[in-house]
Amino acid sequence: SQELEQSPQSLIVQEGKNLTINCTSSKTLYGLYWYKQKYGEGLIFLMMLQKGGEEKSHEKITAKLDEKKQQSSLHITASQPSHAGIYLCGADGAGGTSYGKLTFGQGTILTVHP
Amino acid sequence: ETGVTQSPTHLIKTRGQQVTLRCSSQSGHNTVSWYQQALGQGPQFIFQYYREEENGRGNFPPRFSGLQFPNYSSELNVNALELDDSALYLCASSLTGANVLTFGAGSRLTVL
Repeated sequence: SQELEQSPQSLIVQEGKNLTINCTSSKTLYGLYWYKQKYGEGLIFLMMLQKGGEEKSHEKITAKLDEKKQQSSLHITASQPSHAGIYLCGADGAGGTSYGKLTFGQGTILTVHP
Repeated sequence: ETGVTQSPTHLIKTRGQQVTLRCSSQSGHNTVSWYQQALGQGPQFIFQYYREEENGRGNFPPRFSGLQFPNYSSELNVNALELDDSALYLCASSLTGANVLTFGAGSRLTVL
């Protein structure tokens, strides 16, 4: 079965700093999804990456997929307190056909100090 | 459009009891997936329902069961509760053939 390892497990930054969260898969990545979760709440979809080398941006968040390395990274530029939360990567381990049956990493807890 | 709603938000049960959690999918979504998230962990896939039938199951025992109704809403039932069942249970809906999930806020179950 596919496993996802996120690093770091937790991150504390000062407002305005840039940061990167990594997600490494034990198997080939066919689809990689980034979600954000406020503590104890549901997950909010951020981005979906499906092709090697694909890069997507939304506001100050950029995600990339390195298919060869079986890895994805999430980069936040000029972090704000509103970016605080738990970031989770999820993968489709069935060649893009799992349709909602995702495997998730353990999450990265981000704290942003004003 | 309404999102995914789950009930109850919090509940406390004792070992051996049974629990039913409910989920209303986002308008237009016909597929419902359930996930269990233990404290400090990522969500784990329990099972998925499509057209009122189970459409895939994760590594969970048979005492975890579910239903989907004609209006696409769903229930998760857990029998013979164990202490390790304490977790946040997340429901997510999607369109058939889509991988982007819309999650509810979850039901937090505590088993004493």
